[in-house]
Amino acid sequence: GAVVSQHPSRVICKSGTSVKIECRSLDFQATTMFWYRQFPKQSLMLMATSNEGSKATYEQGVEKDKFLINHASLTLSTLTVTSAHPEDSSFYICSASPTGMDGYTFGSGTRLTVV
Amino acid sequence: QQQVKQSPQSLIVQKGGISIINCAYENTAFDYFPWYQQFPGKGPALLIAIRPDVSEKKEGRFTISFNKSAKQFSLHIMDSQPGDSATYFCAPVGNQFYFGTGTSLTVIP
Repeated sequence: GAVVSQHPSRVICKSGTSVKIECRSLDFQATTMFWYRQFPKQSLMLMATSNEGSKATYEQGVEKDKFLINHASLTLSTLTVTSAHPEDSSFYICSASPTGMDGYTFGSGTRLTVV
Repeated sequence: QQQVKQSPQSLIVQKGGISIINCAYENTAFDYFPWYQQFPGKGPALLIAIRPDVSEKKEGRFTISFNKSAKQFSLHIMDSQPGDSATYFCAPVGNQFYFGTGTSLTVIP
């Protein structure tokens, strides 16, 4: 089946530094990938839609300068949390659809802790 | 406007019992109705999904019931097992993609 690989699974960084999270589709090409943020015991909140070869589309309220998204190839999207602060600590998850619609495959998530 | 309403928020079921989770939606443009299962510290995984041209779909112990006129669909877990303890999300898809608020299921031995 379709696999989306996300790395790292956990990262701890100091306040003010930047962190990059990678999302790879291993056995299919993904022109579109999605990035979510999830707080404890809450649902997934869509942050942005990553489009291969073009700019990402951000949801309302998401700072595009803080959460930089790059989708340089059909199998890789990256999310960089710039100048991270403790309030950016969260669980970040990416997803993509092998068919371009309908059922989505999710990465295993990245637990970011900013100290 | 809240597009997707999921209930209950939490559910405790005895092993062997039936777990039922409901999802109500507003957008009639949705044309694919999946349920996702998420374990702590992991990303969601597609569990089962249905299209609006059928009213029910069964895969093993998991069944989706779909009521188009009521704009509702539900997940039934038969013979619930402790390993089913997880958070379940409905996430109907159409021109947009919405996640339900989630249901925390605990199956007690």
